[in-house]
Amino acid sequence: AQSVTQLDSQVPVFEEAPVELRCNYSSSVSVYLFWYVQYPNQGLQLLLKYLSGSTLVESINGFEAEFNKSQTSFHLRKPSVHISDTAEYFCAVTRNSAVTGGGNKLTFGTGTQLKVEL
Amino acid sequence: ETGVTQSPTHLIKTRGQQVTLRCSSQSGHNTVSWYQQALGQGPQFIFQYYREEENGRGNFPPRFSGLQFPNYSSELNVNALELDDSALYLCASSLFTGSGANVLTFGAGSRLTVL
Repeated sequence: AQSVTQLDSQVPVFEEAPVELRCNYSSSVSVYLFWYVQYPNQGLQLLLKYLSGSTLVESINGFEAEFNKSQTSFHLRKPSVHISDTAEYFCAVTRNSAVTGGGNKLTFGTGTQLKVEL
Repeated sequence: ETGVTQSPTHLIKTRGQQVTLRCSSQSGHNTVSWYQQALGQGPQFIFQYYREEENGRGNFPPRFSGLQFPNYSSELNVNALELDDSALYLCASSLFTGSGANVLTFGAGSRLTVL
């Protein structure tokens, strides 16, 4: 079974400052890793994913995350945040295997509320 | 390309009642999953459907059941509602191709309040 720990429930940060949202996972098998963002009263939107290849993955809106297998981490970073980045961020993991029709079960962390202030 | 749509967006039920939530998958997707997100928590996996059959289930009792239809749309049914069933229910679809990761596309959710 997999598990995800998001170490910070809330992260306040001033606009244009850098931010890091921490995510650690536990798994006995290889995994795929994801970051989802949830704006108030909305569903989840995929921010970025690590499936294979380069351990540094980037999103179109300036976020990046680095898969660190030895530290079992997938921290999310942005060098300069904007007010519009205020949202809940969820780290998620699923096992790296192609089970028939499956491999879909995502295990989520409890989320980190990013609040960007002026 | 249409996304995942869910209905209703909000509903209120009383304890003991039954509820049906509906989901239309993203065009081209063949797998649907349901998640429960309680207030202040991360989503929890309920179950997944592929080829109209349940092929994965989380730690939820049998009163949570579902269906997947030939057009890949889906329903989540919850019987004998309890107060703790109050949550945002998220539907997600994906395309399973036999290899690699299935990247989920989520709908906006159905918010259920049980009084």
